[in-house]
Amino acid sequence: NAGVTQTPKFRILKIGQSMTLQCAQDMNHNYMYWYRQDPGMGLKLIYYSVGAGITDKGEVPNGYNVSRSTTEDFPLRLELAAPSQTSVYFCASSYSKDRGTDTQYFGPGTRLTVL
Amino acid sequence: AQKITQTQPGMFVQEKEAVTLDCTYDTSDPSYGLFWYKQPSSGEMIFLIYQGSYDQQNATEGRYSLNFQKARKSANLVISASQLGDSAMYFCAMREGPISNFGNEKLTFGTGTRLTIIP
Repeated sequence: NAGVTQTPKFRILKIGQSMTLQCAQDMNHNYMYWYRQDPGMGLKLIYYSVGAGITDKGEVPNGYNVSRSTTEDFPLRLELAAPSQTSVYFCASSYSKDRGTDTQYFGPGTRLTVL
Repeated sequence: AQKITQTQPGMFVQEKEAVTLDCTYDTSDPSYGLFWYKQPSSGEMIFLIYQGSYDQQNATEGRYSLNFQKARKSANLVISASQLGDSAMYFCAMREGPISNFGNEKLTFGTGTRLTIIP
């Protein structure tokens, strides 16, 4: 299993451009999440999804949109990129029945710079 | 008030010594979960250990153990016999509410502790 995969690994955007960060998991997890990590800080939740077709806002959703058409994929859309969105973005998934816990497993991250 | 507080921005520890990373939390929910993650310089987030609020015993995973003091609302990570590869950022995180309730899976993270192991 590949676990949680994210593409791209790095991206530089100009102010006002749009892009989609891709996230996929092959663990059949119901729950998926998007976090951002600013320099020297912990992670903050942007959006999450409890299943295909169901999404909800996290702590810092402004400037982002998500969709969840399949169990495996959870893309994050940035519209009109701003310098404040320069960050490292992590996708995660959870609900592993084997462990009996809701441990979240993270992808490798996407480093985004908006200039 | 901060839900997760990690008061040690950085720590330096001699190789092979034990190290304790502090984490205190704030919640009024009787059901919650506490997690520790490791973030090496490569950037990925690696799950280390989990403690449920109703677990009777402290969690252990190899060299990692969690010193869970419920009355003090603390969940310190203990790493025994530290190794050079333990140098990384360590994050404490909390889920509020029971696992079974939809929407309770969100994690709140602390600001992290940067651990450096000295040879």
